[in-house]
Amino acid sequence: QQPVQSPQAVILREGEDAVINCSSSKALYSVHWYRQKHGEAPVFLMILLKGGEQKGHEKISASFNEKKQQSSLYLTASQLSYSGTYFCGTVNSNSGYALNFGKGTSLLVTP
Amino acid sequence: KAGVTQTPRYLIKTRGQQVTLSCSPISGHRSVSWYQQTPGQGLQFLFEYFSETQRNKGNFPGRFSGRQFSNSRSEMNVSTLELGDSALYLCASSPTGVGEKLFFGSGTQLSVL
Repeated sequence: QQPVQSPQAVILREGEDAVINCSSSKALYSVHWYRQKHGEAPVFLMILLKGGEQKGHEKISASFNEKKQQSSLYLTASQLSYSGTYFCGTVNSNSGYALNFGKGTSLLVTP
Repeated sequence: KAGVTQTPRYLIKTRGQQVTLSCSPISGHRSVSWYQQTPGQGLQFLFEYFSETQRNKGNFPGRFSGRQFSNSRSEMNVSTLELGDSALYLCASSPTGVGEKLFFGSGTQLSVL
């Protein structure tokens, strides 16, 4: 039930944009996005709920396509502080109260 | 409010031993989830507890177990340790756990020699 993330890694220059994708084989109730910096705990970014409601971060946006069971995280005008590993987590009809995370996307923003 | 506290921060064990990790959630949070993090595998769900009841369990062998106390503190136990159990074990708490933002602790880094 682990969602699939792509790409696995991306390198950007400061100011460039990036898109991280997350897909599931199961119908999704919600998609969650977290960022983890090296040596630190994952930090919440955003929740996207079935039905379109989005709760989360001011400077980073995301979409949730319920029919395709996919979500995308959009990082625009990237900053050095965006560097880290991004994880999507999904709650689906079989996972009950479990939030299952993908393997992560490593993002490096360079000056 | 204090954050999620995990103890110990680092642990070194040998194969065959048993280990217990502890997690104190944010005050008022009744849901505690545990995850195993290894390089390249992301965060793999172990189990989730709410009000002392395990509501969901991930795909891990029976050597991995957990419990939650009436004050919402949680422990996880791994018996008969294997080299492959070396990982960062993270716990996360939330008020009810249903579709909510998770607050993660800093984790316990377990090394099995």
